[in-house]
Order: sequence, then C-alpha cells, then structure tokens
Amino acid sequence: DGGITQSPKYLFRKEGQNVTLSCEQNLNHDAMYWYRQDPGQGLRLIYYSQIVNDFQKGDIAEGYSVSREKKESFPLTVTSAQKNPTAFYLCASSTRGSSGNTIYFGEGSWLTVV
Amino acid sequence: AQRVTQPEKLLSVFKGAPVELKCNYSYSGSPELFWYVQYSRQRLQLLLRHISRESIKGFTADLNKGETSFHLKKPFAQEEDSAMYYCALSLVGGNMLTFGGGTRLMVKP
Repeated sequence: DGGITQSPKYLFRKEGQNVTLSCEQNLNHDAMYWYRQDPGQGLRLIYYSQIVNDFQKGDIAEGYSVSREKKESFPLTVTSAQKNPTAFYLCASSTRGSSGNTIYFGEGSWLTVV
Repeated sequence: AQRVTQPEKLLSVFKGAPVELKCNYSYSGSPELFWYVQYSRQRLQLLLRHISRESIKGFTADLNKGETSFHLKKPFAQEEDSAMYYCALSLVGGNMLTFGGGTRLMVKP
C-alpha cells in the first residue's frame, strides 16, 4: 500500500527536550515538505526538500531542523528552541505528472509539550 | 515571491445555498492553482486543479488571471461539504506548493 507514513501519531514532550517526527514515503517523490497546523489556522511551511541532500527553510523554520539523507525519508526535529511547539504537524510529498503537480499528505502527528 | 490569500477564515451557509470560497494569488507569471480539502479526521486531499477544468463533488473553480483569483464555487451546498478548504499555487514547471491560510466551511441543516 503506497503512501506517506508519519509517526508517531501522538507525542508528548517535556519542555526543553528535542523530539523527532518521522516521515516516510514510498511514492518515489522527489519533493517533501513539513507543515505546521495550529487550531483554527491554516498550513504554514516549516521546511521543504526538493531533492535528496538538499532542503530549504520555509516560513517558520526557527526552532526546527530537518535532514534528507534518503529520498524516502524526511524527519523533522522540533528543538527546545521552538517557543510554541504544541501543534499538529503534517508531512507531504509531491511529484509532477502529465496533469500537473500533485501533493500527497500524511495523516499528521500531534505534538503536545507538557 | 508568490502568495495565496483566502480572506475568509470561516464561511457558514445553510444547506442548499450557493457557496463561494474566495482565493486570490499574487504571482507575476502563470501559476497552477489547486483546491485541497480536509474533512474531519481525514487527510488533506486534492479536490480539484485549474488545468483539469473539472467539477468534483459539484465544486468548480475558474482561474481569472485578470483578477488573480481562483474562487471555489458550488451552487447548492450539502452538509457533507463541511470541511477545511485550502487554495494552493504552484509555479509552472516547479514542484512546490504555496498554500493559503484556509477557509472553514460550515453547512448548516
């Protein structure tokens, strides 16, 4: 079954701790993204990667870090420097087909800082 | 840089009423425009894209380059249309999407 898998679905973290969210895709997509979604608000781009071993900051990259060592994987680390990390995190990947760009989303990860 | 604006955070209509979710973009070139939808407890998913000129679940959207808009319309809203809707833009030839802030549509019985 192809798709994007995010884990864990729910995560609790103590203040001052780093935490890493996993995102794996078996769709052979070049581009991958991390978005943050706060209650009642829209999607905000944290980081994106258009190709292996390369990534770029999005609109709200401060306090986050990523790596893209493999095409299939794009983990996101929420560091202790992130001031307000409690949120819903969405991973996505995309490819260009004959009918245009198509992006696929994971089911998301809920992070709560306690 | 490109930008997508959805001016309404919340839109509430009665069942059977017409609905229009607004989307405006800023980009000097020719973008590709999309609408994504997120139903309760489901993944965000593609609803429609402008290049396909399709109607999905009764929704249509026309790209108006003069007004730089891509409003989503449906003549008769249904309760199951209640969801979060996102407008998105991709540069032609590019593979990265820029999303608007989203509009929550509530269809009341």
